[in-house]
Amino acid sequence: EAGVTQFPSHSVIEKGQTVTLRCDPISGHDNLYWYRRVMGKEIKFLLHFVKESKQDESGMPNNRFLAERTGGTYSTLKVQPAELEDSGVYFCASSQGQGNEQFFGPGTRLTVL
Amino acid sequence: GENVEQHPSTLSVQEGDSAVIKCTYSDSASNYFPWYKQELGKGPQLIIDIRSNVGEKKDQRIAVTLNKTAKHFSLHITETQPEDSAVYFCAARDSSNTGKLIFGQGTTLQVKP
Repeated sequence: EAGVTQFPSHSVIEKGQTVTLRCDPISGHDNLYWYRRVMGKEIKFLLHFVKESKQDESGMPNNRFLAERTGGTYSTLKVQPAELEDSGVYFCASSQGQGNEQFFGPGTRLTVL
Repeated sequence: GENVEQHPSTLSVQEGDSAVIKCTYSDSASNYFPWYKQELGKGPQLIIDIRSNVGEKKDQRIAVTLNKTAKHFSLHITETQPEDSAVYFCAARDSSNTGKLIFGQGTTLQVKP
């Protein structure tokens, strides 16, 4: 069974540009989470999808971040326009139910110059 | 909301020694506490977890203890091996029942051969 995959693995962009991160959860997992780790700090929750619906987006930093999960399969996280403080590693995780183990992807390392 | 503190931030041990990482949480309603191991270039991987109705759980060389009264939980690794070297994260599931995890700051464990 394939695990959670994320694309790209690395992205280097300039301040003001747009970047879109993609996450493919484990097949059949209705719950999809986005997290971010900035500069060696804790991994912070961004938002949670149940199928195509946003269940909790309380961790989204501001309106420069837009997450979608059309069709309830893969998800994208767009940052527009990117700022320096957006640099970090963005993780996606999926689980079958909200009380089940969350499986993490390898992350996307975003660097904003 | 939930807050998780993790100590130490770095830990260096000799191969064969034990390693202990400690975490405290703030929300007494939290009932699920996973531990994740993150190796270089990979995403966090669940290594052990404990629910609030249990005080201790063991899986081969790793064990987790939970003290609900004091609101702290610890990871114990015995007979450490070089391949145990990684970043370890504790987490608590937020009591809002959306499944989101609140992570500690991470501990970089180095096991010297």
